[in-house]
Parts: sequence; C-alpha cells; structure tokens
Amino acid sequence: AQSVTQLDSQVPVFEEAPVELRCNYSSSVSVYLFWYVQYPNQGLQLLLKYLSGSTLVKGINGFEAEFNKSQTSFHLRKPSVHISDTAEYFCAVSEVGTALIFGKGTTLSVSS
Amino acid sequence: DTGVSQDPRHKITKRGQNVTFRCDPISEHNRLYWYRQTLGQGPEFLTYFQNEAQLEKSRLLSDRFSAERPKGSFSTLEIQRTEQGDSAMYLCASSPFDRAGTGELFFGEGSRLTVL
Repeated sequence: AQSVTQLDSQVPVFEEAPVELRCNYSSSVSVYLFWYVQYPNQGLQLLLKYLSGSTLVKGINGFEAEFNKSQTSFHLRKPSVHISDTAEYFCAVSEVGTALIFGKGTTLSVSS
Repeated sequence: DTGVSQDPRHKITKRGQNVTFRCDPISEHNRLYWYRQTLGQGPEFLTYFQNEAQLEKSRLLSDRFSAERPKGSFSTLEIQRTEQGDSAMYLCASSPFDRAGTGELFFGEGSRLTVL
C-alpha cells in the first residue's frame, strides 16, 4: 500500500524568500502525485499534480514540484513566497483505481 | 456556486448520540469520497462511491459508521453512538469519473464534529 511522508511539520520563512516543502512517498507501482493547499477556514484545493511526462510540474500561485522516481520524492518549491502563501500544504499519492492518501501536512508560515 | 457543499458545518453532540452529515457533490461528478481530518493530521480516507455503489471502505470505518449515496447524487455519513474520539472534521470530495484514476478531488469545506 502507498504512503506519504512530509518531512517537515512546520516551515517558517520570511516574505520573498524561497521555500521547499519536502514529500517522500512509498509505493510498489506507478503513482500519481499531488499537492493540495488548505488556507485558514477553507477547503482543500489542488495546487498541482504529476500524472506522467515531464517531471517538473508547474501549479497555481507560482508553485512547482519535481518528481524524482529514484528518490521517491515530490518536493514543492516556490522561488519567492508571499504573506498570502501562509497555509497548510498536503502531499498526496494515489495508485490507479485507489483513493488519495495524504501526508500529515506542512504548515508554511510566511512573515514580513 | 456549484462546488461541493456540506451540511451542517458544525455539530456539537453528546457522547452516545447519533449524527448525520450530508454532502452534495458537484453535479456532474459521479465519484464521491469521505475523509476525516483531526488536528495536526492530514485527511484520512474513509470510503468512496461511484454513482450509488460504495466501492471501497477503509479499516477506519468501524461498524458505527455508515455511508450511503442512494441515488448517485448526494451522500450521507452517519455515526451511531458517537465517542469522543469521533471528534474531527469530516470532509467530502467529488471527482468526475476518470478511467485512469488520476485522483483529482474537489473538496467541500467540511463538517466539524465535536463530541462532548
């Protein structure tokens, strides 16, 4: 069965600094990988996804992630964060025909 | 707004009582999912439906939990004889059918349950 590990529970950064949120997964078969974001008092929304093809995936709000099969990782990056990026970020994995399995989340706190 | 809606948004109940949550998915989506999220944790999968058929249930879904989607549209999640450990946010999500199972979900804002 697949699983997801988000390596950092909290990431504090200053505005305009770069950020990387780390995610590792385990699975015995091909997977689909996702990052979701949850802003305070809002539902989860899709940030980006990797299904196949190019290993560098671009999402909304300037975020991108890179699928690394040998490292079984799917780290999320943004070159310059804003205060409005403060949120909870969840990495998720699914195999064909199975439901999404989420990591425990990383709280990104951006301060000025 | 045609997003996923959940009702009620908040429910406070006493231990031992039954509670029911409703989810209305995006109208053209035929897959519907229930997840549970506790503080400091990611969403945990409970069950999902394709149309009215319940296709998968997690081991987390004890016999006190039951979910239905009788006409393939809205769904209900009932918890019988609630326990304090049931306190959580219950999330509903929907997705269009995708043969490849790419798993993109559209979430509602959740129903928060507090069991006293």
